[in-house]
Amino acid sequence: DIVLTQSPALAVSLGQRATISCRASQSVSISRYNLMHWYQQKPGQQPKLLIYRASNLASGIPARFSGSGSGTDFTLTINPVQADDIATYYCQQSRESPPTFGGGTKLELK
Amino acid sequence: QVQLKETGPGLVQPTQTLSITCTVSGFSLTSYYMQWVRQTPGKGLEWMGFIRSGGSTEYNSEFKSRLSISRDTSKNQVFLKMNSLKTEDTGVYYCARAWNYSSSPFDYWGQGVMVTVSS
Repeated sequence: DIVLTQSPALAVSLGQRATISCRASQSVSISRYNLMHWYQQKPGQQPKLLIYRASNLASGIPARFSGSGSGTDFTLTINPVQADDIATYYCQQSRESPPTFGGGTKLELK
Repeated sequence: QVQLKETGPGLVQPTQTLSITCTVSGFSLTSYYMQWVRQTPGKGLEWMGFIRSGGSTEYNSEFKSRLSISRDTSKNQVFLKMNSLKTEDTGVYYCARAWNYSSSPFDYWGQGVMVTVSS
């Protein structure tokens, strides 16, 4: 299985940029498709799709969220961070079955 | 609008069978893949399996021997059944929708149902 590694937590100030990383144990890219997706989960709620295929904003997601990366290294950026963005963020790969998730990065206020 | 809702037992005894129903609205089960994902304290988010728009299934080998996913398109329902439950199966179980190919993201999720495995 492809293992996705995320830092457990990131402290950020409101109005600043947050950069959340995800590293895969092997490439999750096929030709021009980078099969990495990002989700936001708030306590007591279900995950919510933010970014699909590394850099595509999901429907209804604010433009302060963006994604980048290819191969094994991917980044979710939130700029500027707002209070409503305090949550845990998960990456997920769909390059190979089984789809796997990272352990999550909890975004905290500095 | 798109909605998914899981219903299940809440508490299940070890060695027993878990049955969860996901009822959907706002889209057709014959046009999307339906996924089951669970979130446990020990392993975080884990993909369990899916049922394709055409009705065939694929399972995570971690669960393959004890997991079954089925559906009733006339009732807009997808079912998860998992037998031989253990205490480490305690967690929140989600159904999620994915687009009509196996590498798609999960674009809508149900609210989840908390399942506790305990005697």
